[in-house]
Amino acid sequence: KAGVTQTPRYLIKTRGQQVTLSCSPISGHRSVSWYQQTPGQGLQFLFEYFSETQRNKGNFPGRFSGRQFSNSRSEMNVSTLELGDSALYLCASSSEFEGYTFGSGTRLTVV
Amino acid sequence: KNQVEQSPQSLIILEGKNCTLQCNYTVSPFSNLRWYKQDTGRGPVSLTIMTFSENTKSNGRYTATLDADTKQSSLHITASQLSDSASYICVVVPISNFGNEKLTFGTGTRLTIIP
Repeated sequence: KAGVTQTPRYLIKTRGQQVTLSCSPISGHRSVSWYQQTPGQGLQFLFEYFSETQRNKGNFPGRFSGRQFSNSRSEMNVSTLELGDSALYLCASSSEFEGYTFGSGTRLTVV
Repeated sequence: KNQVEQSPQSLIILEGKNCTLQCNYTVSPFSNLRWYKQDTGRGPVSLTIMTFSENTKSNGRYTATLDADTKQSSLHITASQLSDSASYICVVVPISNFGNEKLTFGTGTRLTIIP
């Protein structure tokens, strides 16, 4: 069974640009959550999608958005990038009967 | 104040030694408590999952304990190996209907094993 796949693994962007990250969940998992991880803040919850609907949202500005497709794949978008957006972005998929499984993350560097 | 506090923040031990990591939480009620291992630059990998009614759960050299009365959990690693060098994160899952739960993460303990 394939795990959670995140692409790309690494990304370098300049301030003001926007970026789109992708997450393919484990087959059969309908819930996808996104997290930002920085050395100072640890793991911070961004949002969660289930069956194409955003069910929960963390305390991040509107520049951070996401969506989920009918095949449960999810994307998150960050617009007008700031230096402080540099982080490891993790997604996790889950089902009602299985725990959360994390992807390897996308390392975003904003310069 | 973070609802999940971990200690120590970092730990260095010799290969072959045992160690214990602590997790104190205030999240209540909760569905389950999980310990994850995260290698640098990688996603967290689940080590143990305990429901509120379980006291202990083992996974090889990793043993997690849970005291719901004192709201404390610990992760004990025996006979440490160099590959155990990683961050260990305690995660508490609050009770809710499935799909509305939000994981509450501790800030992690950075463990370094030296030869």
